[in-house]
Amino acid sequence: NAGVTQTPKFRVLKTGQSMTLLCAQDMNHEYMYWYRQDPGMGLRLIHYSVGEGTTAKGEVPDGYNVSRLKKQNFLLGLESAAPSQTSVYFCASSYFSGFLYFGAGTRLSVL
Amino acid sequence: SQQGEEDPQALSIQEGENATMNCSYKTSINNLQWYRQNSGRGLVHLILIRSNEREKHSGRLRVTLDTSKKSSSLLITASRAADTASYFCATGWTSGSRLTFGEGTQLTVNP
Repeated sequence: NAGVTQTPKFRVLKTGQSMTLLCAQDMNHEYMYWYRQDPGMGLRLIHYSVGEGTTAKGEVPDGYNVSRLKKQNFLLGLESAAPSQTSVYFCASSYFSGFLYFGAGTRLSVL
Repeated sequence: SQQGEEDPQALSIQEGENATMNCSYKTSINNLQWYRQNSGRGLVHLILIRSNEREKHSGRLRVTLDTSKKSSSLLITASRAADTASYFCATGWTSGSRLTFGEGTQLTVNP
């Protein structure tokens, strides 16, 4: 099993550009999450999904959109990137309210 | 705002010593989880303790939970250099599926 796979691993964007981060899990988990990690601020939840076709806002959803068209995939979109979105992004999945399984992260720089 | 807060922010010990990290939270929870993050990697789950449990062990790890004080501690016994990492607590709300992470404790174990 690959677990949780995030692509890409690194990306540099210019302000105003758009991009999509892809998360795929092969554990048949119902729940999937997108977090961002910034120095001194821990992990903050952006959006999450409790099942195929569902999404919900987390703590810091502004500037991001998500889609969960297939159970195994959770996409995070940035429509117009801003320097404040420079961060490390982590996708995670879980069975209901149990442990989260994390991907290796995507390092995004917005210039 | 963050639910969990770890203390201390940084801890440096010698190999073989015990390391204790604390986590405090503010609202009711149904479970508390501890995660480890090695530098540049994703988070890996360590232990989950439910609100009706007071103590849990896993190998060299011991976690306690005091719901009356809204606090938890993670004890790593006989530490090794390989234990060097950041450790995060995450709290699960009584309703919903989201976890809220603290800012973490950076543990350095010196050989």
